Amino acid sequence: AQSVTQLGSHVSVSEGALVLLRCNYSSSVPPYLFWYVQYPNQGLQLLLKYTSAATLVKGINDFEAEFKKSETSFHLTKPSAHMSDAAEYFCAVTGEDTGRRALTFGSGTRLQVQP
Amino acid sequence: ETGVTQSPTHLIKTRGQQVTLRCSSQSGHNTVSWYQQALGQGPQFIFQYYREEENGRGNFPPRFSGLQFPNYSSELNVNALELDDSALYLCASSLGDMNTEAFFGQGTRLTVV
Repeated sequence: AQSVTQLGSHVSVSEGALVLLRCNYSSSVPPYLFWYVQYPNQGLQLLLKYTSAATLVKGINDFEAEFKKSETSFHLTKPSAHMSDAAEYFCAVTGEDTGRRALTFGSGTRLQVQP
Repeated sequence: ETGVTQSPTHLIKTRGQQVTLRCSSQSGHNTVSWYQQALGQGPQFIFQYYREEENGRGNFPPRFSGLQFPNYSSELNVNALELDDSALYLCASSLGDMNTEAFFGQGTRLTVV
């Protein structure tokens, strides 16, 4: 079965600082990986996705993530945090090992951005 | 292109009652997935419908059931509500391929008292 582990339920950075949110996955088949953002009382918005093309994936709002198969990781980064980046971030994986195409989510990381 | 819409946005029910949540998928999308997101947790997969057929189910009891209609909209029904069913219920639509984006609705906040 697939699983996702997000290290750090809360991350706090200063405005302008590097953002690094960690995600490790487990999958018995080549995975598709996603990062979603959720603002309070809202649904999920896709930031970026990895689908076995380039290992460095660029997303919206200057976010990017690098797929590292040897480390089973898909960490999310942003060079310079903005106040508007404060939200909950979820890493997710999907694949066909369970015969379905649903997303398995991590438990989320809440990003705080300090002025 | 319309997005994914869910109704109602908020709902309060009493333990033991039944509830129906609705989802209109994005135009052209044939797959709808439902997720339960408890407070402070990541979404958990309930089930998925593809062209009106259930296409996979998560670890939820049979009192969670669903439907998908010919226009690809969907319903989630929960019978015999329990306090632990209180959560944000999210609907996502997609084209059914694993590497295509799933578009999420704003969710329905269900409170069971």
